[in-house]
Formats: sequence, structure tokens, C-alpha cells
Amino acid sequence: DTEVTQTPKHLVMGMTNKKSLKCEQHMGHRAMYWYKQKAKKPPELMFVYSYEKLSINESVPSRFSPECPNSSLLNLHLHALQPEDSALYLCASSQPDSLYGYTFGSGTRLTVV
Amino acid sequence: AQSVAQPEDQVNVAEGNPLTVKCTYSVSGNPYLFWYVQYPNRGLQFLLKYITGDNLVKGSYGFEAEFNKSQTSFHLKKPSALVSDSALYFCAVRDMRNGNKLVFGAGTILRVKS
Repeated sequence: DTEVTQTPKHLVMGMTNKKSLKCEQHMGHRAMYWYKQKAKKPPELMFVYSYEKLSINESVPSRFSPECPNSSLLNLHLHALQPEDSALYLCASSQPDSLYGYTFGSGTRLTVV
Repeated sequence: AQSVAQPEDQVNVAEGNPLTVKCTYSVSGNPYLFWYVQYPNRGLQFLLKYITGDNLVKGSYGFEAEFNKSQTSFHLKKPSALVSDSALYFCAVRDMRNGNKLVFGAGTILRVKS
């Protein structure tokens, strides 16, 4: 299995809602990442988990809360988002100390209304 | 910090013609460079990488890239463009001095016209 699977593919939520994005991989990778991408812009790193521990938080607002329950799963919990948080959220995985690139999921298209 | 630059927002090429998408890098130490492609509303797909060795790197879908140390460049090339190559292309570098993060260039839109 050489895929990163993200669910849901699309999500519309109100500013008072709580929702979660899910990401799963079965490649044995021990590093997982959340990126945020606006249209026609490069992905921006949000969080890095390495061996199930949060290793990088790129000063992301607390309304985004990551969770790594095990080595295959990565969640992003969303609460009280703003319309400007609407974006494509990408999950990726890799080996932590590898020189190689990441494997990306297809993303979740989030719209905050 | 390590960085890459993509000087062209958009590249237009006719189908069947060769294409080049430019990337330059600024890296302390050995560069670990990548190209990714993104189709509309999709994630990023890996095309190729340069870690060490041969300066001409061959990748997926007929793409190749030439690593040039003297010009600090890593341009993406294809001998004959297809309409289906139209997409957003990102050059990236692995920042080994900053959490081993993958850092992206601004992206280049490639439009191939028939």
C-alpha cells in the first residue's frame, strides 16, 4: 500500500462547529504532516509528528488541534474556525530521517461558512 | 534557511514541443531537491528527486530534471509536452537544518495547448 488516504474529501462547516479531518497511511512511515494550501499557492506546513510525537508546530492557531493516535493515523480537530481558514488541507507521510520526499494524500477541501 | 525559487508564475508551450520549468535553490550543504505536480483539486504527486549522483535525473511520466551545481539550478524538462501535462508544478528542498522539513517554491502553472 503506497497511499495516504484522507477523509472526508470535502467538508463545509460553520464557524461554531467542531469537526475532524482524518489521515491514514500503511507504508510504515513514522513521520506525518499537516499542510494547508490556498488556491494556486504552495502548501504551508502546519504540524509535524515524528514517532507519534508532535515535533513541529508552525505557530498554528489553537483552533487547529492535531492528534496522532498511532503510527498509521493522523487527525486534525477543528473548532471555531474562520472563513479565512477555508483551504485544501493536505496530509503527508515519510520516514523521519529520510532524504526522500513525502507521500501526499489527495486532501480535504474545507469551506468555513 | 534552505529555499527554492521558481521565477515563472506560468509557462505556456505547444503540444509536442519541449518544456522547461525553472527552479533555483539556495542551500547550505548538500541539496536534496524534488519536483511535485498538482492537478486541480488533488494532492501533490511526486515526479522526481535529486539526492546525489547523476546530474540528470529521470522521473515519472517522461519528466527529467538537470541538477546544475554551478548555476544552483534544478530545472524540470520534458522532450515533448502533452496537453495532459497541464498542471501546477512545485520545486521543493528538504531543509535538513530545520526539522528536515520539505520547503516548496511558489509554484509554476504549466499550460500545454494543442
